[in-house]
Amino acid sequence: ELKVEQNPLFLSMQEGKNYTIYCNYSTTSDRLYWYRQDPGKSLESLFVLLSNGAVKQEGRLMASLDTKARLSTLHITAAVHDLSATYFCALIQGAQKLVFGQGTRLTINP
Amino acid sequence: DVKVTQSSRYLVKRTGEKVFLECVQDMDHENMFWYRQDPGLGLRLIYFSYDVKMKEKGDIPEGYSVSREKKERFSLILESASTNQTSMYLCASSLSSWGNYGYTFGSGTRLTVV
Repeated sequence: ELKVEQNPLFLSMQEGKNYTIYCNYSTTSDRLYWYRQDPGKSLESLFVLLSNGAVKQEGRLMASLDTKARLSTLHITAAVHDLSATYFCALIQGAQKLVFGQGTRLTINP
Repeated sequence: DVKVTQSSRYLVKRTGEKVFLECVQDMDHENMFWYRQDPGLGLRLIYFSYDVKMKEKGDIPEGYSVSREKKERFSLILESASTNQTSMYLCASSLSSWGNYGYTFGSGTRLTVV
């Protein structure tokens, strides 16, 4: 059974700093997704990572995948307040299901 | 853009009531899903459907049922609501081929059972 664990679960940081969210998973999977959720809102897709060594970047966010270590990271560079949100990683199990991590609540303070 | 619409943003129901949560998507997606979201637990799959009149149990189906009579509509039913079903419920849809974005989510229904 696929299990997905994120850490940290809560992260408070200052604007301008760099930090990384980690996503570990227990079994192989074809795809890994990162989602963002703003308070009271739905989930928005950020990245999909398909293969070992894949790296995707959008603005101040960069996601990478190491399938051998069963690890994905979401790196935040020079954080700004607008990036405050909850971030989820998720992986495919079987043909149709996405299994989610617990989420990381990120708060960026001025 | 695909839109997934959930009929209610907020609901308050009494213990023992039968509750219907409705979800409609407008882009002919084959797959539809119901998740519940609770703090510290992430999203947990309740039921999913990959075709009309087809349904599969997810990880936490107890106390719930679903209905998919038309491709665009997937309903979640709480047969007899209980306080431990107070949660945020998220509907999602996807193509069978997955594409690059996985699921498209609705805006969620926050259900409170009193």
